[in-house]
Amino acid sequence: GESVGLHLPTLSVQEGDNSIINCAYSNSASDYFIWYKQESGKGPQFIIDIRSNMDKRQGQRVTVLLNKTVKHLSLQIAATQPGDSAVYFCAENPGGSNYKLTFGKGTLLTVNP
Amino acid sequence: NAGVTQTPKFQVLKTGQSMTLQCAQDMNHNSMYWYRQDPGMGLRLIYYSASEGTTDKGEVPNGYNVSRLNKREFSLRLESAAPSQTSVYFCASSGQPNTEAFFGQGTRLTVV
Repeated sequence: GESVGLHLPTLSVQEGDNSIINCAYSNSASDYFIWYKQESGKGPQFIIDIRSNMDKRQGQRVTVLLNKTVKHLSLQIAATQPGDSAVYFCAENPGGSNYKLTFGKGTLLTVNP
Repeated sequence: NAGVTQTPKFQVLKTGQSMTLQCAQDMNHNSMYWYRQDPGMGLRLIYYSASEGTTDKGEVPNGYNVSRLNKREFSLRLESAAPSQTSVYFCASSGQPNTEAFFGQGTRLTVV
């Protein structure tokens, strides 16, 4: 079956550095992608989303890039802070009337002070 | 504005017992979802309700049933709990297709 996966299960960065978390997807019909942040003991929290008609979308300190040619999604966090330490999930929706978000396994981001 | 509220937060069951996980949202969302999260894995969809009055199976529906009681509430029932159902369960809701889903804080269920 088709799936969403992550290249790196863990990422450790220094406070103030930029972080890049990657995600590969295999469903070419997916037309909507989301990044979630999950802190320990909490539910996933929406960070940013992007639709397949876009290549890039920026939020506050975060940027999502979508490369449909190679089916790759990335989340960039600028000036990473200790509060950014969490597990980050990408999720895709195959589109149409399908409501089923498919989640990747997650990347643990650790920010060292 | 509470968002998505799940009860209980923690539960221990014996094998074969039944229980219902409750979920309510106050955002007037049409769609609601139940996911499970196991260590080292992403969230997997158990059941979803695209709109009030409809429910559909997700990726891992076996051993579960759901009820969309009204627009606000979506419950998940384990009729005969098994150790393989030990997991963290998340309820979520979304307003429209292809928009972000908002998650509850989760229910940590242990089946012994």
